[in-house]
Amino acid sequence: GAGVSQSPSNKVTEKGKDVELRCDPISGHTALYWYRQRLGQGLEFLIYFQGNSAPDKSGLPSDRFSAERTGESVSTLTIQRTQQEDSAVYLCASSFVGDETQYFGPGTRLLVL
Amino acid sequence: DAKTTQPPSMDCAEGRAANLPCNHSTISGNEYVYWYRQIHSQGPQYIIHGLKNNETNEMASLIITEDRKSSTLILPHATLRDTAVYYCIVRVRGKLIFGQGTELSVKP
Repeated sequence: GAGVSQSPSNKVTEKGKDVELRCDPISGHTALYWYRQRLGQGLEFLIYFQGNSAPDKSGLPSDRFSAERTGESVSTLTIQRTQQEDSAVYLCASSFVGDETQYFGPGTRLLVL
Repeated sequence: DAKTTQPPSMDCAEGRAANLPCNHSTISGNEYVYWYRQIHSQGPQYIIHGLKNNETNEMASLIITEDRKSSTLILPHATLRDTAVYYCIVRVRGKLIFGQGTELSVKP
């Protein structure tokens, strides 16, 4: 079946612009996660959507970052007024709530000039 | 919050067993240990997880010490395609907290 998909696969933007990154989770997965991975570093948790519960936003680095999820489907991560330090790969993962295995998408490579 | 520590890098000869250690001395009684790997330019891939018993699947084996303060991931016959960064992770309040991982290089 289809895995987690993300779009765009690559995004180049100018400092100060807003960007939207999209994640399509595996159908039926009730949990969705966003991570950031800077070059040569490990994954940094950003936000976690668990079913109908309030999302865990504890990993968002600033108020320029926000994310939404429509029901149990698509999620959008928005970065406002991008900065050069926002350049990274943004990874999305989904799972069933209670299932310990997260399935990752291929990521969106964001470059802020 | 439980944290994990791993060596930053390891080498392994092709065909040999790769044993990747992880310390998680502050893990609590109901926290699972997970292993993921990330091949260059790809998203992480789930390998295996366990609570206290040793686990085995088609990819690897997981050995957890009796006190649960450390574990070892074993790739029984490493191949060149197993070259990747391996992450040992615990789940904290529903979230997987990734560290820096171990960069495993399998050499011919």
